Amino acid sequence: KQEVTQIPAALSVPEGENLVLNCSFTDSAIYNLQWFRQDPGKGLTSLLLIQSSQREQTSGRLNASLDKSSGRSTLYIAASQPGDSATYLCAVRHPGAGSYQLTFGKGTKLSVIP
Amino acid sequence: DTGVSQNPRHKITKRGQNVTFRCDPISEHNRLYWYRQTLGQGPEFLTYFQNEAQLEKSRLLSDRFSAERPKGSFSTLEIQRTEQGDSAMYLCASSPDGGLANTGELFFGEGSRLTVL
Repeated sequence: KQEVTQIPAALSVPEGENLVLNCSFTDSAIYNLQWFRQDPGKGLTSLLLIQSSQREQTSGRLNASLDKSSGRSTLYIAASQPGDSATYLCAVRHPGAGSYQLTFGKGTKLSVIP
Repeated sequence: DTGVSQNPRHKITKRGQNVTFRCDPISEHNRLYWYRQTLGQGPEFLTYFQNEAQLEKSRLLSDRFSAERPKGSFSTLEIQRTEQGDSAMYLCASSPDGGLANTGELFFGEGSRLTVL
């Protein structure tokens, strides 16, 4: 059974700092990995999608890497801003009990202090 | 706005009542998904449609839950005889079908929050 873990569960940083969020998964046989942002009481906003054949994806101040063999992904946020405060979720799409399912981690709650 | 639309955004009901949520996916997205998210947890898969066909159902989808997508466009999720444990955010997502257009990326709506008293 695929399990996704995100560490830390919560993170507080001062504005302007660079930071890394971690995501690990137990089964390396994945199709892709997707990072989402979720504001309180809201839905999920897709940030980056990395296919299993890719090593990284970049969008603006965000960079996501994937090491499939070790079952790890990182989301790097450069020059953090208070507006980045949210919960960040990673999810993997994988074969098994439904190849169209995503398995999510519990998220990392990020607070960027002005 | 052509994103995924969900209604109602918030529903408060008494235990034992039936509730129905609606999801309008991104236009021309053939795939539609329902997920459930409880406080402090990641979303959990409930069911998946390709066009009007319901192809996958999670064990989380008990007999009190039913989802439909009759014309392959919008979808409804009905919960009968609600229980307090059904209180959660119900999220709908869509994605395009097959070929180069299908990166596997899911696009989520704002969710429908259910509170069962």
